Amino acid sequence: QLQLQESGPGLVKPSETLSLTCTVSGGSISSSSYYWGWIRQPPGKGLEWIGSIYYSGSTYYNPSLKSRVTISVDTSKNQFSLKLSSVTAADTAVYYCASLRDFDWLYSPDYWGQGTLLTVSS
Amino acid sequence: DIQMTQSPSTLSASVGDRVTITCRASQSISSWLAWYQQKAGKAPKLLIYKASSLESGVPSRFSGSGSGTEFTLTISSLQPDDFATYYCQQYNSYPLTFGGGTKVEIK
Repeated sequence: QLQLQESGPGLVKPSETLSLTCTVSGGSISSSSYYWGWIRQPPGKGLEWIGSIYYSGSTYYNPSLKSRVTISVDTSKNQFSLKLSSVTAADTAVYYCASLRDFDWLYSPDYWGQGTLLTVSS
Repeated sequence: DIQMTQSPSTLSASVGDRVTITCRASQSISSWLAWYQQKAGKAPKLLIYKASSLESGVPSRFSGSGSGTEFTLTISSLQPDDFATYYCQQYNSYPLTFGGGTKVEIK
């Protein structure tokens, strides 16, 4: 069973760049059956998909965040990463990484990391 | 973007009750719908995929139905462990989008 673990700073200053890493265990990030993604949840609110990446580097981003988001993959470390630039208080949220399983050529989250709270504050 | 609308937003029920949650998509998503359960402070857990397929290890009291734009999640006999928030999510097209959630509370 796949396990995912987010890591990164818990606090970022406004206008700075948020950087998070997800480490995958229990399977290879180079699997052809998975995309890998980031999803966030502001405190007390619902879920928002940020973007996804394939091991080859192919990416999909949420248009609402696309101008500020970069997702990358490091197959040698079995990790993928999120960078979100020019953060504001509205980016304060629990950030989850997830594996996205191939359901008949369409991909959707199955396993999730435990989540990491990222607060934007000076 | 495809908008996902869940109802009700909150549901009060007792152990043993049959519970139904509805999710509507703003356009047809065929059967490309998943349901998740989220408990406080925890990550969402996949319950149902492809509208009606039960994820491995999920109790059979959970079931999903629907296609096109209207979907339901049913819990046949609510158990104490089932009090949580439930989300639907479409994966027919990008961006992936979630419903606003339904919180199932103890009556």
